[in-house]
Amino acid sequence: DTAVSQTPKYLVTQMGNDKSIKCEQNLGHDTMYWYKQDSKKFLKIMFSYNNKELIINETVPNRFSPKSPDKAHLNLHINSLELGDSAVYFCASSQGGQTIQYFGAGTRLSVL
Amino acid sequence: GNSVTQMEGPVTLSEEAFLTINCTYTATGYPSLFWYVQYPGEGLQLLLKATKADDKGSNKGFEATYRKETTSFHLEKGSVQVSDSAVYFCALSANSGNTPLVFGKGTRLSVIA
Repeated sequence: DTAVSQTPKYLVTQMGNDKSIKCEQNLGHDTMYWYKQDSKKFLKIMFSYNNKELIINETVPNRFSPKSPDKAHLNLHINSLELGDSAVYFCASSQGGQTIQYFGAGTRLSVL
Repeated sequence: GNSVTQMEGPVTLSEEAFLTINCTYTATGYPSLFWYVQYPGEGLQLLLKATKADDKGSNKGFEATYRKETTSFHLEKGSVQVSDSAVYFCALSANSGNTPLVFGKGTRLSVIA
């Protein structure tokens, strides 16, 4: 069983479209994250949710809206996609008080 | 703020060579330190970790020692294999838990037969 799963794995879309990426974890963790990896492989935190509550939002444009319907899911919706949004997006999870994070396989988003 | 600096790549080695990838950090308090690995086309996998000074993390022949005096967490392996070709990320986390990882920029390792 995959611990942290993201869908889709690849996403190719046109500028201006709206798209969503889904993330689910079956580890029973209470905290989930979204990271962005740019074309130079640099990884940076975007959002963090703890028990469905947003706790970190790292100056991400308002076009990005995370949603956590329950502790096991953290979805990322992106409005009006721009060329600069092309990247690999990673979901991760951890358990309260623990520092180890478990990552999904990533979603490669290409905006044309 | 917290930050991680790791050596620029790419690093190209012959099979069975010795590997060192340098990593230094800046942090308040006593962070936990990690090495993550990203194999081609795959997601991030935890390679090893250390949570306090002088701890040594090890896995799959890789080792790293948490050195508080030099704020370093260098990754080493005595004999690399072609299958070790990947991007390696050094990262830290504040020890309060539920805090995001701060990553270095990654070092691409290519091992040739």
